[in-house]
Order: sequence, then C-alpha cells, then structure tokens
Amino acid sequence: DTGVSQNPRHKITKRGQNVTFRCDPISEHNRLYWYRQTLGQGPEFLTYFQNEAQLEKSRLLSDRFSAERPKGSFSTLEIQRTEQGDSAMYLCASSLRAGTGGETQYFGPGTRLLVL
Amino acid sequence: GQQVMQIPQYQHVQEGEDFTTYCNSSTTLSNIQWYKQRPGGHPVFLIQLVKSGEVKKQKRLTFQFGEAKKNSSLHITATQTTDVGTYFCAGQNRDDKIIFGKGTRLHILP
Repeated sequence: DTGVSQNPRHKITKRGQNVTFRCDPISEHNRLYWYRQTLGQGPEFLTYFQNEAQLEKSRLLSDRFSAERPKGSFSTLEIQRTEQGDSAMYLCASSLRAGTGGETQYFGPGTRLLVL
Repeated sequence: GQQVMQIPQYQHVQEGEDFTTYCNSSTTLSNIQWYKQRPGGHPVFLIQLVKSGEVKKQKRLTFQFGEAKKNSSLHITATQTTDVGTYFCAGQNRDDKIIFGKGTRLHILP
C-alpha cells in the first residue's frame, strides 16, 4: 500500500496523559500536513512541513502540541497533558509541491483520539 | 484571517435530483480543491481548479471556479446513493496556506 498511513488508528487516554501519533506519507511527497477534525466540521489546519522544516503552525496549536519530521519522511504529533477538548480525529496528509502550481493532498485514515 | 465558507451545511435530495454546494473565500485564492469524505472515512481528493472561470467535469460532477477566484461550486447531476458524503472545498492562498470549508453533508433519499 503506497498511500498515507497513520498509527494508531484509535487512541483512548486519560486526561493529563501524553499521546504520540505517527504519520507515514507517500514516499516521494515533500510536504506533510497535520489537521484536526471534529464531528460536523472540516479539517482544521494544525501545522505542516516541507521536507524536515516545519513551515507553519496554527495559532490554535497550543504549547502542548508538538510535531516533528526529523528526516523529512515520517512525522510524529505529540500532545502533552491531554485535555478532553483534544478529543478529535487527527488527520495527516501529504503532497508533492513542485513549482508554482497547486498541490493535491492525500489524506491518511486518521487517528481518532478520545480523552476521558 | 482568511475564511472559507460553504453552503449549505446539509442537503437532502431525492435520488435522481441535482445537488449544488457553494464555496466562498474571504480572500483571492491561487487555487481551490474539492474533497469528498464518506461517513467514517477520510477526505479524498476530487479535483483542483487553478484558472479564473475554470470549469471542469467528472462524469456527473461539474466544478466551477469564479472569475475573481474567490468562489467555487460543485454541481452533481442526477444524484445516486453513492454520492452520499460530505463535500469539502479547500482554498489555497498565495502564501500556500490551505483552508477547508466546513463542508456540505449530502444525504440521498431513496
């Protein structure tokens, strides 16, 4: 399967615990995005990388959230001291950005987080 | 900041009827993309529009990009049960930022 993969697919945790999610993008893609989606809403941008550089972080991303893409391949999203409001689907998407044209994002299946 | 609004939020149509969802951006876009998300699934790319006034067709789906590159529409002709899902537009601005609309959830009545 050469699509975007995410692990784990589901995570249940207690409030205050730390969680880490992983995203493996399509191998030749240079951009990787993290989104959060809650019921009835569109994907909400969190952050994105071009290769290993984190180019933008949403103002919605509190200090408890951190993302890395150390070698420009897979990425991790960590949430520290989880809160119930963090419960959501966390989506990863990758794309190939070349030149000035637009880019198509390919989404992974997401990690559904439930904070009790 | 940039906002992307989508209407309607929900649409129920009888199978065979047409369906249209509209997307409006507060700022001029460099391109707009459309995605479909089935219940329980993840967004799947449908199409990208780049040029002012561009119209693209995919079978029963017609996508338009406004002349001012601030609005777009998706029209489905003769809906089928397989069209059920939520349709999102995503606008990309000149700073490369991609903002998704809240989506239009399409429900088909048999």
